[in-house]
Amino acid sequence: QQPVQSPQAVILREGEDAVINCSSSKALYSVHWYRQKHGEAPVFLMILLKGGEQKGHEKISASFNEKKQQSSLYLTASQLSYSGTYFCGTIQWDSGYALNFGKGTSLLVTP
Amino acid sequence: DGGITQSPKYLFRKEGQNVTLSCEQNLNHDAMYWYRQDPGQGLRLIYYSQIVNDFQKGDIAEGYSVSREKKESFPLTVTSAQKNPTAFYLCASRSRGGGNQPQHFGDGTRLSIL
Repeated sequence: QQPVQSPQAVILREGEDAVINCSSSKALYSVHWYRQKHGEAPVFLMILLKGGEQKGHEKISASFNEKKQQSSLYLTASQLSYSGTYFCGTIQWDSGYALNFGKGTSLLVTP
Repeated sequence: DGGITQSPKYLFRKEGQNVTLSCEQNLNHDAMYWYRQDPGQGLRLIYYSQIVNDFQKGDIAEGYSVSREKKESFPLTVTSAQKNPTAFYLCASRSRGGGNQPQHFGDGTRLSIL
């Protein structure tokens, strides 16, 4: 079951903040976040395993609300290098650990 | 350096032709995956394999076939039954540990119809 990401696209000025959401209708084992630049392979950002877990990666952090089956990715003080498409991938308890990816959120950071 | 190698980078298919995309990894990972990416669609799972000589269908397996004869290799064949094969194909692998381990991706193969 494909998770739903929102928003579909966002444009920021350098230094602004953004939040990308990912929600599923199924019980989740874990949530993975990736960033993809145009024409390149997705790059792993972080995994969230437990409800309430938060992780940080430089100025990018994420949270996982297990009860709501939702995860949010927070980008603070955005930099030009943050531009790309962000995907959440979810693993359900009965999926054999195969990732289901959302359709992605396109992020553009402008000077 | 350890990693995942996909080849070729670009591939063209004629009508009625089968083509095979290569995926090799030297990360000693157990699980390997094939995804198809279309504009605005995200990544959709074609096939995956958790051990040698075993693989499972993903969400869009029709028109595709795979084999897993060696741990390092997971080739994908796009058959003539796949009527709309034009897409960006990504191979990924993951170490043991299930859902708490990240997937690592190759650089992809872009397939087009002649």
